[in-house]
Amino acid sequence: GAVVSQHPSRVICKSGTSVKIECRSLDFQATTMFWYRQFPKKSLMLMATSNEGSKATYEQGVEKDKFLINHASLTLSTLTVTSAHPEDSSFYICSARANTGSNQPQHFGDGTRLSIL
Amino acid sequence: ELKVEQNPLFLSMQEGKNYTIYCNYSTTSDRLYWYRQDPGKSLESLFVLLSNGAVKQEGRLMASLDTKARLSTLHITAAVHDLSATYFCAVVYSGGSNYKLTFGKGTLLTVNP
Repeated sequence: GAVVSQHPSRVICKSGTSVKIECRSLDFQATTMFWYRQFPKKSLMLMATSNEGSKATYEQGVEKDKFLINHASLTLSTLTVTSAHPEDSSFYICSARANTGSNQPQHFGDGTRLSIL
Repeated sequence: ELKVEQNPLFLSMQEGKNYTIYCNYSTTSDRLYWYRQDPGKSLESLFVLLSNGAVKQEGRLMASLDTKARLSTLHITAAVHDLSATYFCAVVYSGGSNYKLTFGKGTLLTVNP
C-alpha cells in the first residue's frame, strides 16, 4: 500500500529555532500534499495544501511567513516552522495524495510532535 | 463552507455493548472517510464510503452512508477494550480541485472491562 514517511517524529528545541519537517511519499507520486496541525484532544486542522511545483495554498488564519511550505518534487514536501515559539508546539501531520484520478485518498504520515521550550 | 459534526464527542461504554457514532455534514460531498487515532499516533484509515447506501464492515465496526440525509454512522458491535481510541469522520469537499478533507471533532471512545 501507499506509504508516507514523515521525519522527524519528535523535535524538542529552544524558542527562536527554525524547524524543518519532511514528508515523503515512498512508493507513489504525490501531486498534492497536505499539512495539518493537531492540538491535544482536538481534531486535525488543515494548515495548507501543497501542489508540486507551485506555491502552497494556506488556510485562513495560517501565517505564510511562519509556516514555510516547499513541494519541490513529486515525492517530497517540507514544512519549516520559522522562529518557533512555545505556542507553535503541536502535533503536525502530513498527508499525500497520488496524482491518478479523483478517487485517490490521502495517505497520512506518522506525525511530528514539536515541543518548543 | 463545509461543516462536519460528529456526536457524541465522548463515549464510555462497557465491553460487549453496542453503540453508534454519528457524522453529519452540511454540503454535497464526493466521499466520506472514517479514521481511528490512538494516543500519540497518526491516523489509521478504517473505511471510505463512496455512494448512497454504502455499507462497509470490518470486524466489530460497520460504517454506512446516507447521502440524502448527509449522514454517516459508525456502529460498534460487542465492544472490546482494544477499540478504545478516538474516531474521526472526514468528508471530501467536492467543490474544489484539491479534494480537501474536512474533519469532525472526533469521538473519544473508552471501552471499560
